[in-house]
Amino acid sequence: EDQVTQSPEALRLQEGESSSLNCSYTVSGLRGLFWYRQDPGKGPEFLFTLYSAGEEKEKERLKATLTKKESFLHITAPKPEDSATYLCAVQVMGSNYKLTFGKGTLLTVNP
Amino acid sequence: AAGVIQSPRHLIKEKRETATLKCYPIPRHDTVYWYQQGPGQDPQFLISFYEKMQSDKGSIPDRFSAQQFSDYHSELNMSSLELGDSALYFCASTPREGSYEQYFGPGTRLTVT
Repeated sequence: EDQVTQSPEALRLQEGESSSLNCSYTVSGLRGLFWYRQDPGKGPEFLFTLYSAGEEKEKERLKATLTKKESFLHITAPKPEDSATYLCAVQVMGSNYKLTFGKGTLLTVNP
Repeated sequence: AAGVIQSPRHLIKEKRETATLKCYPIPRHDTVYWYQQGPGQDPQFLISFYEKMQSDKGSIPDRFSAQQFSDYHSELNMSSLELGDSALYFCASTPREGSYEQYFGPGTRLTVT
């Protein structure tokens, strides 16, 4: 069974304090790994797609990396507006493109 | 840029009633996915459509049905509602050709009383 595990469940940072979120996965064959940001009561907002080990993508203060077993979302010098739940999801070969999500990491950045 | 549109945004129903949720995908997106997100939970895949045909089915109760129409909008029909159906229901869309990213709508919050 395909599994996605995110850690930590919650993370509290001070503004400017860099850190990383982890997403480990166990799947039969990875088509892609996705990072989304979700604010309370809103739909997930697409951030990144990673397809192969060694791939990296950046957007403003966020950088996503991928290995054969896990992905990291690095947050550099976060600001309070980065506070949200960050969801990791996988798309598995032969799955008709559905996403299987992890339970997310709730990030709080204090000013 | 145009986004996924869902309606209604909020819906309150009583047990055993029926509900219909609508989803309008991003223009030129031909694939639609439905997800259910319970309180404090991650989104769970329900069902997907490509070119008006069901393409995949997840943990969708038999009381629920869905379809995609010729203009690519989709409707999720829920009957004999139960308290446990209270959740956020998201629709996502993607073009079949090209990237695999799914773009989510704002969701419909369904409350069953």
